[in-house]
Amino acid sequence: DIQLTQSPSSLSASLGDSVTFTCRSSEYISSFLHWYHQTPGKVPKLVIYAAANLPSGVPSRFSGSGFGTDFTLTITSLQPEDFGAYYCQQSYSTPLTFGQGTRLDIK
Amino acid sequence: EVQLLESGGGLVQSGGPLRLSCTASGFNFESYAMSWVRQAPGKGLEWVSIITDSGGSTYYADSVKGRFSISRDNSKKRVYLQINSLRGDDTAIYFCAKCDHSRPVAAYFDHWGQGTLITVSS
Repeated sequence: DIQLTQSPSSLSASLGDSVTFTCRSSEYISSFLHWYHQTPGKVPKLVIYAAANLPSGVPSRFSGSGFGTDFTLTITSLQPEDFGAYYCQQSYSTPLTFGQGTRLDIK
Repeated sequence: EVQLLESGGGLVQSGGPLRLSCTASGFNFESYAMSWVRQAPGKGLEWVSIITDSGGSTYYADSVKGRFSISRDNSKKRVYLQINSLRGDDTAIYFCAKCDHSRPVAAYFDHWGQGTLITVSS
């Protein structure tokens, strides 16, 4: 099974900061890597699909990059609604898998 | 507007069965794969199972293979998750998720239901 390792596991940042999260795959997954954001008690929301694509309605301060095994999610100019947990997910092969998550807290 | 409404969760005894349902609306249900994702209390997301648009193919996480069974009824716009031999580590919120593709490869989850909680008691 493909393992996804996210780093860091947690991060503290201030409003207006830029942050970057990393997701590393144990195997080649092309660009089939997606990112989700979840705030406590809420439903996960897709923020990046296919490594670098922004879904409709997601602010342009979110961006993704990467190919193969190494991927990043960058958020610029952090807003209050951006805090919470971020998960990567691969769909290159089944079983589909999620990373363990990165928690973004307000400093 | 895409809507996914899960039902069937609750407090169940260890070893028992349970069937979850997810009723979809607002999109062409029979054209998309559907999936179940769960989240144990205070933990991360865990993919559970996916079924292709026609229902012809199903896939499972290793942790649930042999105990869970996913199915769908396109005429009713519903997807189901049959869970047998429930264990304590099955305690979680179970989310129904719509995939953007008809099949698992390359698929991502573009819409999620609110989730239904299963609590397994011993």
